[in-house]
Amino acid sequence: DTAVSQTPKYLVTQMGNDKSIKCEQNLGHDTMYWYKQDSKKFLKIMFSYNNKELIINETVPNRFSPKSPDKAHLNLHINSLELGDSAVYFCASSLRGPTTDTQYFGPGTRLTVL
Amino acid sequence: GESVGLHLPTLSVQEGDNSIINCAYSNSASDYFIWYKQESGKGPQFIIDIRSNMDKRQGQRVTVLLNKTVKHLSLQIAATQPGDSAVYFCAEGGGGADGLTFGKGTHLIIQP
Repeated sequence: DTAVSQTPKYLVTQMGNDKSIKCEQNLGHDTMYWYKQDSKKFLKIMFSYNNKELIINETVPNRFSPKSPDKAHLNLHINSLELGDSAVYFCASSLRGPTTDTQYFGPGTRLTVL
Repeated sequence: GESVGLHLPTLSVQEGDNSIINCAYSNSASDYFIWYKQESGKGPQFIIDIRSNMDKRQGQRVTVLLNKTVKHLSLQIAATQPGDSAVYFCAEGGGGADGLTFGKGTHLIIQP
């Protein structure tokens, strides 16, 4: 069984559109995350979220918003997509907090904005 | 700039040899360190971790060494195999940060 899953795997869209990426984890973890990986493979945290607290990386534009319907899901919604949003987005989860536990990653969603 | 960095962006080793991937970190308050492996088209995969109260930890064919004095982390892979070809990331946690901070990654290439 897949521990952390994301859909879609590939997403191609036009500038200005709004899109969402879904993430689900079946590990029973308390904390979930979204990362952005650029063309140089650099991984950068965007959000960490548990049922109590959302921590936002201050460099993330407010066009990006995480939405969590329940503890096992953390979706990423992006408004008014821009060319620079093209990247691979990874969801991850950990048992407890963001700095004390191993994070397990999903397979990634490659977003291409045309 | 990033607080976690790698000395070599690409490392090429012969199959069967041992490989060492190095990482420097700058936050002396970090207390948790992880190595991840990322194969092409996949998400990062946990390899091994170490906490700051240890200086060495061994797994299956992998060893992580932590030198807090010089803020250096290394990953040793014994008897490399073709399947070890990937990008390897070190990451640090704790130290007041909101999450893990990843290094830039080292591309390990296994030569036949």
